[in-house]
Amino acid sequence: DQQVKQNSPSLSVQEGRISILNCDYTNSMFDYFLWYKKYPAEGPTFLISISSIKDKNEDGRFTVFLNKSAKHLSLHIVPSQPGDSAVYFCAASEGAGSYQLTFGKGTKLSVIP
Amino acid sequence: DAGVTQSPTHLIKTRGQQVTLRCSPISGHKSVSWYQQVLGQGPQFIFQYYEKEERGRGNFPDRFSARQFPNYSSELNVNALLLGDSALYLCASSPTGIPNTGELFFGEGSRLTVL
Repeated sequence: DQQVKQNSPSLSVQEGRISILNCDYTNSMFDYFLWYKKYPAEGPTFLISISSIKDKNEDGRFTVFLNKSAKHLSLHIVPSQPGDSAVYFCAASEGAGSYQLTFGKGTKLSVIP
Repeated sequence: DAGVTQSPTHLIKTRGQQVTLRCSPISGHKSVSWYQQVLGQGPQFIFQYYEKEERGRGNFPDRFSARQFPNYSSELNVNALLLGDSALYLCASSPTGIPNTGELFFGEGSRLTVL
């Protein structure tokens, strides 16, 4: 049973517009969330993270929002650039007592010039 | 500085064979994790090692084993290969043993095909 769900397999956005990638989770023990970006033939690279004690974290063009009551997080990319085209994975962990990340299936973002 | 390096990058095996995948972490990183990514899925946790000790194991059969060496490099072994073991095997390193205090740094992966 998937504990981290990314229900949109793909997303197309025009260059310069906002990209919003969504992620839902079912495990109430998750308290740390991360987004990874993956280009073809490369390993995933860390993008941004958020702890459950926050509801927003921002890093340049990337912002992650966390809604704990809804068990939902989203990644906003503003403005979107063609180089952002990649597969984005949402991941979660149960905190200091856990050493593993649980990943979603990923969303393929295509930014159209 | 070199990132996480994995070898081999691609390999083909037949059912029932055994395979060993290798990983060298970023210099100074003491933790290595292994993930399996089947086509169309996200990475799935297999093992984590920190300071040469197993710190976590995912829901994988005993055919999967791993170890970490004194220089912090690691090997993943899979015995009695099944068709379903075909996947991209990702190694990731981190400075600490706890993923939520720092992000994981992934290698490019080893693509295993089982025929």
